[in-house]
Amino acid sequence: KQEVTQIPAALSVPEGENLVLNCSFTDSAIYNLQWFRQDPGKGLTSLLLIQSSQREQTSGRLNASLDKSSGRSTLYIAASQPGDSATYLCAVRPPENRDDKIIFGKGTRLHILP
Amino acid sequence: KAGVTQTPRYLIKTRGQQVTLSCSPISGHRSVSWYQQTPGQGLQFLFEYFSETQRNKGNFPGRFSGRQFSNSRSEMNVSTLELGDSALYLCASSFTGFRGYTFGSGTRLTVV
Repeated sequence: KQEVTQIPAALSVPEGENLVLNCSFTDSAIYNLQWFRQDPGKGLTSLLLIQSSQREQTSGRLNASLDKSSGRSTLYIAASQPGDSATYLCAVRPPENRDDKIIFGKGTRLHILP
Repeated sequence: KAGVTQTPRYLIKTRGQQVTLSCSPISGHRSVSWYQQTPGQGLQFLFEYFSETQRNKGNFPGRFSGRQFSNSRSEMNVSTLELGDSALYLCASSFTGFRGYTFGSGTRLTVV
């Protein structure tokens, strides 16, 4: 059974710093992995989607990497800003031929200190 | 391009009542998934519909049900509401799994 873990659960860093959020999963048989951000009381906004055959994806100050064999993904945020404060979630999708559902981690609550 | 639309945004219901939530996916998306989010449990999968068929179901009691229409719009129904059903209910649509999911803003349900 797939389990997704995000550590740390919460993180506070000064503005301008680079930071890394971690996501680990127990079953390496995945279809893709998606990173989301969620602002309080709002829906999820997709940040990056990495297919199982890819190693990384980049969008602006964000870079997500995927190491399927070790069951890990990282989300790197460069030059953090107060507007980056949110909860970041990773979600793992199983292969299409498996009758399983997408599994979310519990998220990392990020606070950027001005 | 319109995003995923969920209605209503907020709901207050009384214990024992029933409620119906609506989700309109992005045009062309045939897959719609529903999630319940609470502070204690995080995001929990309710069910997924694809082309009007329920493709997958989470571990929720039978009070939670859903359906999808021919235009891919989906509704979720919760009967005999309990206080513990208070949560943010999120809907996500997908064209194919390859392209990932797009979420709506959610419906905040409060049961009193």
